[in-house]
Formats: sequence, C-alpha cells, structure tokens
Amino acid sequence: DTAVSQTPKYLVTQMGNDKSIKCEQNLGHDTMYWYKQDSKKFLKIMFSYNNKELIINETVPNRFSPKSPDKAHLNLHINSLELGDSAVYFCASSPLTGVGDYGYTFGSGTRLTVV
Amino acid sequence: KQEVTQIPAALSVPEGENLVLNCSFTDSAIYNLQWFRQDPGKGLTSLLLIQSSQREQTSGRLNASLDKSSGRSTLYIAASQPGDSATYLCAATNSGYSTLTFGKGTMLLVSP
Repeated sequence: DTAVSQTPKYLVTQMGNDKSIKCEQNLGHDTMYWYKQDSKKFLKIMFSYNNKELIINETVPNRFSPKSPDKAHLNLHINSLELGDSAVYFCASSPLTGVGDYGYTFGSGTRLTVV
Repeated sequence: KQEVTQIPAALSVPEGENLVLNCSFTDSAIYNLQWFRQDPGKGLTSLLLIQSSQREQTSGRLNASLDKSSGRSTLYIAASQPGDSATYLCAATNSGYSTLTFGKGTMLLVSP
C-alpha cells in the first residue's frame, strides 16, 4: 500500500528519557513534515524537509532533532523528554515544496505520553 | 501570518440532514486549501483540495468552496450519515510556503 507510515503508534516513557519516532513514505514525495497535535487537538507544524534538507523549523525546542537519511524517511528524535511533550505527533508528505495539485498525505500518528 | 478559524466548534445533527461547515482565513494570498477528516484516535484523511484558482471541488456527497476575496471556505455535506461523525479540519497553505496552517476543527456528530 502507498502510504505514510509511522512507528511506534503509541509511546509511553518517563521524563528525562530520549526517544525516537520513525516515519517513512513510499509515495515518491519530495517534502516531509512533522506536525504536533496538542491536548486541545490543535495541529501545528514543527519541521519541514525537502529532499533531506531542513527548510522550516517552527521555533521548536532544540531537544527535538529531525533526521532525514533520504527523501523517503524523516525521523524525529526527542532528548530529555518533558511532561509537556505529551501529544500526538503526525508525519506527513507532499510531492512538491509548494504542495502543488496534490496536497498532503498524513501518517496515522504517534501518541507520546510522558509520565 | 495566516490564521484559520472554523465555526462551529461542534455540531450535532440528525441523520439525513444537509449541513455546512465554515472555515475562514486571514491571509487571502492562499496557495490552496485542504479539508481533512480525523476520526478519534486516528490520523488525518484528506477529503478535498481546492487550488487558489478554483472555486469549488466535489467528491461524492461532499462539496467544498473557496472564496479568496472574503477569506472563506465551506464544506457542504449532503444527506449526512452516522458514519460522517468525525472532526473536520480545514488547512491553508500560502504562496511560497508548503506548510499547512490548520483551524481547530469542527466536531460533527450525526445521530441515527
């Protein structure tokens, strides 16, 4: 199936730990993103990568470090997790930097709970 | 900076009713606007994408319109069904940017 897939789907961890979320798309898209959905269900952009290059970083704490080994993968590593990092993290992709005619495809999300 | 607002925040209707969800945006230099559906605990499913040069898009019982001059988009759902119950999100992209600015969504409940 063509899709954006994220792992894990659920992640429960203690404060202070370091964790990673993986994302892969097999749609051949050029651009990948990380979005955060907070407890009030509001979705906000965190990062945008185009062909492995970071193009947008929306004032996210530097404890969050995205890594794109190739244009089909965009992983999110989080250091020193805090309670406020608890949220659902969505990976997405689109075919052109300017989105174009095709819009976005989202993954199913990773629910991170920091205890 | 683009801001997107959705009204109402929640809507409850009986099955079979036609309904309209509203989305407004502050920056009319919009590149396109996309409507999504999110089921509880799930990801986002794209419903309709309207380019800035278009006025509307249709898919089945869904019709989305775009009026750039007034900064508004509407999602019309005909003959609503219980399976339409979900949160509907609209999101805009602006010229020169690829990221989506989301509204906070409208939570729709269609009762049998």
